[in-house]
Amino acid sequence: DGGITQSPKYLFRKEGQNVTLSCEQNLNHDAMYWYRQDPGQGLRLIYYSQIVNDFQKGDIAEGYSVSREKKESFPLTVTSAQKNPTAFYLCASSIGTGAKNIQYFGAGTRLSVL
Amino acid sequence: AQTVTQSQPEMSVQEAETVTLSCTYDTSENNYYLFWYKQPPSRQMILVIRQEAYKQQNATENRFSVNFQKAAKSFSLKISDSQLGDTAMYFCAFSWNSGNTPLVFGKGTRLSVIA
Repeated sequence: DGGITQSPKYLFRKEGQNVTLSCEQNLNHDAMYWYRQDPGQGLRLIYYSQIVNDFQKGDIAEGYSVSREKKESFPLTVTSAQKNPTAFYLCASSIGTGAKNIQYFGAGTRLSVL
Repeated sequence: AQTVTQSQPEMSVQEAETVTLSCTYDTSENNYYLFWYKQPPSRQMILVIRQEAYKQQNATENRFSVNFQKAAKSFSLKISDSQLGDTAMYFCAFSWNSGNTPLVFGKGTRLSVIA
């Protein structure tokens, strides 16, 4: 089936540790996005990538890093510099203007701090 | 910067009744898209309906329709014949009409459909 796969579903981070959230899509979409969801905050943009080997910071990029080496993959690393990483992380993708910028979402990763 | 405001943190509706969720936004752009996404307890984000700003006709999708007032920068969602499965968080979102661009989300409205 075509779609967006996020893994793991649950992730725990220790103090000072970097962790990586995986996002893979087989929709042949050009663009991919990472959003963070906190209670009462809606979704906020962390990073996005419109093409391979290129990405832009979103509103809350501090403490996070990404890479886009393949069209299908857009992993997000939560670094030790992110002091409050506990949240629900959503990955999305979109194909472009022809599809009116509709974004499709993965099932999310819940990150907690031990 | 674009902002999206949902002024109703929580709402409830009786099954089979109609409910309207409010959304206002602020932008200086003329061409853009507006969306309503649904997030049920599974937390999977699902697109409910989409509106293109250059279209005057309000979008409809089965029991879901919008009231798009461009001058007032208002984009409300009407759910008719509410069903228990409509219980979810509903997010209003904005994007520019220029290719693959990020969504700007409101903080959401939690809707409960009561039997």
